Amino acid sequence: RKEVEQDPGPFNVPEGATVAFNCTYSNSASQSFFWYRQDCRKEPKLLMSVYSSGNEDGRFTAQLNRASQYISLLIRDSKLSDSATYLCVVTIDQTGANNLFFGTGTRLTVIP
Amino acid sequence: DAGVTQSPTHLIKTRGQHVTLRCSPISGHKSVSWYQQVLGQGPQFIFQYYEKEERGRGNFPDRFSARQFPNYSSELNVNALLLGDSALYLCASSLTGTGVWDTEAFFGQGTRLTVV
Repeated sequence: RKEVEQDPGPFNVPEGATVAFNCTYSNSASQSFFWYRQDCRKEPKLLMSVYSSGNEDGRFTAQLNRASQYISLLIRDSKLSDSATYLCVVTIDQTGANNLFFGTGTRLTVIP
Repeated sequence: DAGVTQSPTHLIKTRGQHVTLRCSPISGHKSVSWYQQVLGQGPQFIFQYYEKEERGRGNFPDRFSARQFPNYSSELNVNALLLGDSALYLCASSLTGTGVWDTEAFFGQGTRLTVV
């Protein structure tokens, strides 16, 4: 069973739309949660951390539900520049290492 | 200030050969992690090094090895290459490398390895 499961998409949405991505994680000992963004043939970059209380950064809102082991990302007023793959990431403290566990990524294309 | 740098950017190798990939972390970062990203998948953890010691190892065969040098740069070595080793190899650096994740990981642009 994968540590992190995501709907791979693709999601094709018009400019200005609101789109939501979901992800589930299997290990209840997971400690930290993130959304990373990866543009085509580029490296992943941190989009935002995810906290139990939920957090917002401009048009982006992330939510964490520890009881359901579920993470979400909401993008409002989509821009063409939001087109990318969004990776759900968790960390599990294993013997002091803090490696990142990535989902397969959800591909978003924003259409003019 | 330079980000994470990886070399080479692209590489083509033949099955059975050996490859060495290199990574220089951001200045001041002491932790380096290696990830393999196969096309269409998310990155998979291979190794983490912190202060020149191995802190974690993912589910990869012994053909994969790594080390970290006193200047915190790192090498990933892969022996007896298989076609399935074709992937983007990503290096990530962070300030710390112990316990709960508390600092952002910065990724290099990766080395794209093709095994033919």
